[in-house]
Amino acid sequence: GAVVSQHPSWVICKSGTSVKIECRSLDFQATTMFWYRQFPKQSLMLMATSNEGSKATYEQGVEKDKFLINHASLTLSTLTVTSAHPEDSSFYICSANSDRGRHQETQYFGPGTRLLVL
Amino acid sequence: AQKITQTQPGMFVQEKEAVTLDCTYDTSDQSYGLFWYKQPSSGEMIFLIYQGSYDEQNATEGRYSLNFQKARKSANLVISASQLGDSAMYFCATYTGANSKLTFGKGITLSVRP
Repeated sequence: GAVVSQHPSWVICKSGTSVKIECRSLDFQATTMFWYRQFPKQSLMLMATSNEGSKATYEQGVEKDKFLINHASLTLSTLTVTSAHPEDSSFYICSANSDRGRHQETQYFGPGTRLLVL
Repeated sequence: AQKITQTQPGMFVQEKEAVTLDCTYDTSDQSYGLFWYKQPSSGEMIFLIYQGSYDEQNATEGRYSLNFQKARKSANLVISASQLGDSAMYFCATYTGANSKLTFGKGITLSVRP
């Protein structure tokens, strides 16, 4: 249980285009999902907390208009990187809390999406 | 604010031996949780083990155990009988109800030698 999927796993796009990444909880409902960004050999950096039915909460320094988050249902959150530029190239990974685990604080992660902007 | 420190840059262990990955944390909260995640080269983050601040016993999950020393604010991960598949990055993280977020350390690279 507590499986999280992400799509796509890889995306290459041209500078200036927008890219949408989906995060789904497959076997549980997630009222809260988290979006992280990770550069090579570095730790995860929390970008925003996605709440079902309400606006996302962004971390300091993360541009809301650049990284649009929509949490339209209890099993789906999307991250849209708008007008992507090469500096947006990174590994994006989502997570969700699940009440199926022994501890509700545990976050279960998706497999991640590697974005390369040319 | 939470802070996690993982100072070991890289660790090597012989297959079938045990290895300890260090983690210290800094928090002013009385109630918190400690996590360890494994990240292989594929990128996925795999939950390994959890320790609650009020848990009196050290957490164990199969070959993973957590050496929790509350007074020293350390939560070291012990992997017994290392396997080649254990080669990965390992992240320590803390959670508090105050901000409902995970704070990650910088991670430790573990390489298991055959």
